[in-house]
Amino acid sequence: DAGVTQSPTHLIKTRGQQVTLRCSPKSGHDTVSWYQQALGQGPQFIFQYYEEEERQRGNFPDRFSGHQFPNYSSELNVNALLLGDSALYLCASSDVTQTAKLFFGSGTQLSVL
Amino acid sequence: AQSVTQPDIHITVSEGASLELRCNYSYGATPYLFWYVQSPGQGLQLLLKYFSGDTLVQGIKGFEAEFKRSQSSFNLRKPSVHWSDAAEYFCAVDNTLNDYKLSFGAGTTVTVRA
Repeated sequence: DAGVTQSPTHLIKTRGQQVTLRCSPKSGHDTVSWYQQALGQGPQFIFQYYEEEERQRGNFPDRFSGHQFPNYSSELNVNALLLGDSALYLCASSDVTQTAKLFFGSGTQLSVL
Repeated sequence: AQSVTQPDIHITVSEGASLELRCNYSYGATPYLFWYVQSPGQGLQLLLKYFSGDTLVQGIKGFEAEFKRSQSSFNLRKPSVHWSDAAEYFCAVDNTLNDYKLSFGAGTTVTVRA
């Protein structure tokens, strides 16, 4: 049973560019959450998707957007990249019927130059 | 809004010695509390969680944590550390189980020396 898979594992972009990160949830999970982990900090909640809709959102600008597909996989899009967007982006999946059982992927390391 | 403080940025412990990692939360009601571990290049793995009931919670890998409402703390402990416990540890809080919107502390890095 594959866990949460994220692609790519590493990415280098330049300021102003746009980036798309991908996440496949654990089998049987229908909810996907995205977190940003800057160097030396704990993860910060970006948003959560359930039934192809954004259900919760953290304090991130509109440059951060997402999507969930019918197969529950998800994408995180970041427009107009800033140097401060450099971070590890973590995807976590869960089953809405099971309380607080988040499974995290290994993340995508984004570097903005 | 809830918040989590992990006062210790880095802890070094000898293999076989005991370990205690501190976590303090700020939230009016009883929060839902979690400890996660992150090894280099890995995602976060849940060690244990507290929702209600017995304030001493047992987790995986021999870890336990104690919820103390009077001190707003949820400290993580392990009686005897193994070299494989070297990692970063995060305390997290969620104000409602249905949100899965966790607020994490800044983490504590644990180094294990032989």
